[in-house]
Amino acid sequence: DAGVTQSPTHLIKTRGQQVTLRCSPISGHKSVSWYQQVLGQGPQFIFQYYEKEERGRGNFPDRFSARQFPNYSSELNVNALLLGDSALYLCASSLARQGGNTIYFGEGSWLTVV
Amino acid sequence: EDQVTQSPEALRLQEGESSSLNCSYTVSGLRGLFWYRQDPGKGPEFLFTLYSAGEEKEKERLKATLTKKESFLHITAPKPEDSATYLCAALKTSYDKVIFGPGTSLSVIP
Repeated sequence: DAGVTQSPTHLIKTRGQQVTLRCSPISGHKSVSWYQQVLGQGPQFIFQYYEKEERGRGNFPDRFSARQFPNYSSELNVNALLLGDSALYLCASSLARQGGNTIYFGEGSWLTVV
Repeated sequence: EDQVTQSPEALRLQEGESSSLNCSYTVSGLRGLFWYRQDPGKGPEFLFTLYSAGEEKEKERLKATLTKKESFLHITAPKPEDSATYLCAALKTSYDKVIFGPGTSLSVIP
């Protein structure tokens, strides 16, 4: 079975531009979440979506937005890019069961802002 | 404030030299504690989930344990292929918000 898949794997953008990152969850998983990982640090929670609704948001500015589609895939959008947005963006999916979930991560999208 | 810390920051072991990695957490509404392995340039790879104090899980040379304040990842007779960053993470209530620690970078020398 395919794991969590993300695209693109690498991209370079210029300050002020906008970027869209895409994620397909594991088949049957209805919950998708997004994380930002800066070099040398642990991932930081950005968003979680379940059944197309935003269920949680981390401490990120409004330049960051996301959505989930009927097939449970998701997009993360970042507007007005800053140099500090350079990071590995990770998508994760889970079954979102009550009582505990195992959360599986994709390989990430490396974003470099120049 | 919710917080997950890990120690040591980096660990260098000889092949076969067993050791433990520590994860301390202060998280309200904790639902579970995860351990992940992350290789350079890759996404985190799931290792274990622990849900209650006293629980233990094992996988090959790795064993994870959980108390009310800490979790330990014990590595028995490590091999060079165990070299990676090990991330501890706490799962909060109500949605899949995971709070990660900074990780422990493990190097196993042949």
